[in-house]
Amino acid sequence: AQSVTQPDIHITVSEGASLELRCNYSYGATPYLFWYVQSPGQGLQLLLKYFSGDTLVQGIKGFEAEFKRSQSSFNLRKPSVHWSDAAEYFCAFNTNAGKSTFGDGTTLTVKP
Amino acid sequence: DTAVSQTPKYLVTQMGNDKSIKCEQNLGHDTMYWYKQDSKKFLKIMFSYNNKELIINETVPNRFSPKSPDKAHLNLHINSLELGDSAVYFCASSRGLEQYFGPGTRLTVT
Repeated sequence: AQSVTQPDIHITVSEGASLELRCNYSYGATPYLFWYVQSPGQGLQLLLKYFSGDTLVQGIKGFEAEFKRSQSSFNLRKPSVHWSDAAEYFCAFNTNAGKSTFGDGTTLTVKP
Repeated sequence: DTAVSQTPKYLVTQMGNDKSIKCEQNLGHDTMYWYKQDSKKFLKIMFSYNNKELIINETVPNRFSPKSPDKAHLNLHINSLELGDSAVYFCASSRGLEQYFGPGTRLTVT
């Protein structure tokens, strides 16, 4: 069965510090992977996606993610966090059948 | 211009009532979805329509009935509302695998 795991429920970082949010997936074939961000009271916005090719993908707002097949991971990174990055982050997985599976989310708090 | 819009944004109603949430997308996408996000922010897909045809129907009570009058609209009707239906409901659309989400409808059942 396919699944997505975000091991960290809540992460707190200081403004200006680097950030890494973890995501692991379980699937028997080539995954289609996504990171979404949800600001308070808002819908989800796509940050970046991986379908194939270069395993390091760049997204909006200075985020990047690296696909590692050997570790079944798709971790999200940002070199320097801004206070406006405080939000809920969701890793998601999709198949050719179009069914999306979302991780349980990671809440990011940014300290001044 | 709003890409995926939902109405209403907030909905407060009593148990046993019937209510509808509307969703419209102006992106020209073929596929639309309904998701439920509970109080712990867990996001679960409920339904998916492609060109007005139901393609994904997760384990959802049959009190929930989606209707797609055309490719740009996917409405969600809920009968006999229960306390456990309180959640934020998100509509989304896609062409391919990348989804665009609406702002959500916060449903509170009292």
